[in-house]
Amino acid sequence: QMQVEQSGPEVKKPGTSVKLSCKTSGPTLGNPVMQWVRQDRGQRLEWIGWIVVGSGNTNYAQKFQKRVTITRDKSTGTAYMELSSLGSEDTAVYYCAAALRGIASSLDFWGQGTLVTVSS
Amino acid sequence: SYVLTQPPSVSVAPGQTATITCGGDNIESRSVHWYQQQPGQAPVLVVYDDNARPSGIPARFSASNSGNAATLTISRVEAGDEADYYCQVWDTSITSGSYVFGTGTKVTVL
Repeated sequence: QMQVEQSGPEVKKPGTSVKLSCKTSGPTLGNPVMQWVRQDRGQRLEWIGWIVVGSGNTNYAQKFQKRVTITRDKSTGTAYMELSSLGSEDTAVYYCAAALRGIASSLDFWGQGTLVTVSS
Repeated sequence: SYVLTQPPSVSVAPGQTATITCGGDNIESRSVHWYQQQPGQAPVLVVYDDNARPSGIPARFSASNSGNAATLTISRVEAGDEADYYCQVWDTSITSGSYVFGTGTKVTVL
C-alpha cells in the first residue's frame, strides 16, 4: 500500500516561513490528492489545503489562503507546503495525507507528521 | 461554518461495545469518515463514506449516518482500541469547500 514520508521537525522564528515536504511511495491508483492537516496541542485537527497531483490544482482553507502555498513535483512524488508569516499559534504537528478517491474524499494514508515549533 | 460535535470521552470495558457519536446539522446528507489516532501516532482511516471499511480494518468497526448524527461503533472492544477518534466531512457551505473535523473522542478501555 501507499507510504507517505514527511520531512523532519522544524524550529522557526516568528514572522518567518517554513516549507515542509511529503514523499509518497508504493502503488498509486487513480489521481491522488495530497492533503495537509495540522494538529495543535489541544489535539484539534485543522485542514490547511490540498493539491491534485496530476493537474497541480490547489484549494486552500480560507483561514490560510493568504499565507500558504502547496506545490508538488510529479517526477519525485513529493508534495510541499509552505506557510509564511509564522506565529506562535502555528506551533503544531503538520500532517500530509493522500486522498485516493479524489477531492473531498477520505484521507486514506497519512504521513508520520512534522512538528513545527515557532518560538523567538 | 459547519460544526461537528463529539463527546470528549467514552469509557468501555473489554469485550463490550463502544459507541461514538458525531453530531452535525443534517449530517446524513454528507459522507462521513472516521479516523483512529493512537497516542503519539498519525491518524488512521477506519471508516469512509459513512460505513465502508478500508482494507485491514477489522469488522468490529462499523458506522452509520442518519439525521443529525453519525455513529462509529466498536464491537468486542480490545485494549488496542484505546485511542482518540475523529469524524470528518466535506463542507460545501463555502464556495471553495472545506474539510471539517469533529472535536474528537477519547476512548478509554477500562
